[in-house]
Amino acid sequence: QKEVEQDPGPLSVPEGAIVSLNCTYSNSAFQYFMWYRQYSRKGPELLMYTYSSGNKEDGRFTAQVDKSSKYISLFIRDSQPSDSATYLCAMLEYGNKLVFGAGTILRVKS
Amino acid sequence: DGGITQSPKYLFRKEGQNVTLSCEQNLNHDAMYWYRQDPGQGLRLIYYSQIVNDFQKGDIAEGYSVSREKKESFPLTVTSAQKNPTAFYLCASSILSTEQFFGPGTRLTVL
Repeated sequence: QKEVEQDPGPLSVPEGAIVSLNCTYSNSAFQYFMWYRQYSRKGPELLMYTYSSGNKEDGRFTAQVDKSSKYISLFIRDSQPSDSATYLCAMLEYGNKLVFGAGTILRVKS
Repeated sequence: DGGITQSPKYLFRKEGQNVTLSCEQNLNHDAMYWYRQDPGQGLRLIYYSQIVNDFQKGDIAEGYSVSREKKESFPLTVTSAQKNPTAFYLCASSILSTEQFFGPGTRLTVL
């Protein structure tokens, strides 16, 4: 079993839809949770960073962490064609290495 | 502009050849990392360095080598011992391992 599981998609939605992207994990020692966005043939860029459980909002993006269920989510409101990319979740046990999910491909159709 | 640069963008390697991928950062970050990305897989850590003249193996170090002679630079050599080197290679740097910033990547293809 992988430490971090992420549905590869692709997830296809119409413009303006609310998008939900998710990851599950098995290591209860993970404390830091990140979402990266990666456009085709580019390096990942850090979107959101959360410590421990709870919600964090930044514009149209909301990151949610449920440590009791070992489940994290990224919500995108009012999705735009420019949001079409691969979204990677990543997790860290402090002092250890970052562990990435395989990434979910998102396609927002205009 | 502060950032991470990787060169070349595309690289072609013949069988049995060593090639070196460049990574430079002007963010004054202490830590630097090399990842490999294959289709359908997450990023896998090859090597990382937290300080000049010191580096550690990641999960898939076999067939790769690195050096860290300067804070700004962390080149990766893909040796002939790496049997399946075709992949997208990403360099990252960070102050803390919690926030890693990535370069644009190098796509390596074996001919």
